[in-house]
Amino acid sequence: GAVVSQHPSWVICKSGTSVKIECRSLDFQATTMFWYRQFPKQSLMLMATSNEGSKATYEQGVEKDKFLINHASLTLSTLTVTSAHPEDSSFYICSAQDRGSYEQYFGPGTRLTVT
Amino acid sequence: AQKVTQAQTEISVVEKEDVTLDCVYETRDTTYYLFWYKQPPSGELVFLIRRNSFDEQNEISGRYSWNFQKSTSSFNFTITASQVVDSAVYFCAFSNSGGYQKVTFGTGTKLQVIP
Repeated sequence: GAVVSQHPSWVICKSGTSVKIECRSLDFQATTMFWYRQFPKQSLMLMATSNEGSKATYEQGVEKDKFLINHASLTLSTLTVTSAHPEDSSFYICSAQDRGSYEQYFGPGTRLTVT
Repeated sequence: AQKVTQAQTEISVVEKEDVTLDCVYETRDTTYYLFWYKQPPSGELVFLIRRNSFDEQNEISGRYSWNFQKSTSSFNFTITASQVVDSAVYFCAFSNSGGYQKVTFGTGTKLQVIP
């Protein structure tokens, strides 16, 4: 089946630094990728929709200058958390939508801890 | 806007018991997809099923079965003869069937199967 990878799987960073998370579709092309955030014991909330070659679309309440998204190719989208703070600590999950079948596949997630 | 409700926050059952997880959704869309995902403690989402709104046929896969009733906007999930490995958080989810298939997740039901 289709595989989506995320790197890193977990990261610890200091407050004020930036962290980049990669989302790759390994065996299919994804025109569209999505980024979700999940706080402990809560559900997944969509943060933004990432489209290859164009600007991302952010959900209401998500700061676009804080969460920079780049979808530079049909297999890679990156999420950069800029000037991270402890409240950004969360589980970030991406999904990639197959450009052919439109089926969506989720990555394994990245656990971010900001100290 | 779409909404997915999972009224059961936590359920505990004894191994080998059957358990049904409820899911009710709200939408004005005529075509859409419904999903169930399993999230074990590791955090990675495990895809269980995707159901097109046109297909109301119930489905069985091993110990898992799903009951989709469009008339009541429900998509319930039953585990037969539960096992300890079934312990996880289960999410019901909804997506539109258009180009950008944003997924809206329910709040999740934590299932604990006691040996």
